Amino acid sequence: AQRVTQPEKLLSVFKGAPVELKCNYSYSGSPELFWYVQYSRQRLQLLLRHISRESIKGFTADLNKGETSFHLKKPFAQEEDSAMYYCALMTGGTSYGKLTFGQGTILTVHP
Amino acid sequence: ETGVTQTPRHLVMGMTNKKSLKCEQHLGHNAMYWYKQSAKKPLELMFVYSLEERVENNSVPSRFSPECPNSSHLFLHLHTLQPEDSALYLCASRRTGNTEAFFGQGTRLTVV
Repeated sequence: AQRVTQPEKLLSVFKGAPVELKCNYSYSGSPELFWYVQYSRQRLQLLLRHISRESIKGFTADLNKGETSFHLKKPFAQEEDSAMYYCALMTGGTSYGKLTFGQGTILTVHP
Repeated sequence: ETGVTQTPRHLVMGMTNKKSLKCEQHLGHNAMYWYKQSAKKPLELMFVYSLEERVENNSVPSRFSPECPNSSHLFLHLHTLQPEDSALYLCASRRTGNTEAFFGQGTRLTVV
């Protein structure tokens, strides 16, 4: 069965510091991985997906199949990055694909 | 409103009540999902509907009964719930063939 693990429930950094949110997955097939973010009083929304290899709001994430990891990184954190971040794995293909989420990491960026 | 809309936003119900949660989207999506978000657990997938057909029931107790009358609407019927069912219930939708899921703001359910 598939599983997503985010080892840190809470992560605090100061503004301008680098930040890395860890995500490890377990899946026997070819993984499709995502980072979702939930800002205060807002709905859960997609931040980025590994297949796009894009940078959104300064965040990047690289899929490392050898380490089965998909860590989210940003070189200089901003206060507006404070939010709950979820790593997610999609299985079932794009026909009815389901998302399996990690337990989430609350990121707090201090001024 | 554009996007995925869930009603009500908050619901308090007794253990003997029957209530329903509603989810609506007009994004042209054809797959819809119910997730449960509890305080100390990851988001848990409950049900998946694709093209109005239930394709997954993730070992959810029968006191939760989903209904998808058309591709724009999804319901979760609740009956004789337990206090441990108190949680945030999230609806999501996506277009098959596309990987991005769009979430509603959730219904905060409290069972007393």
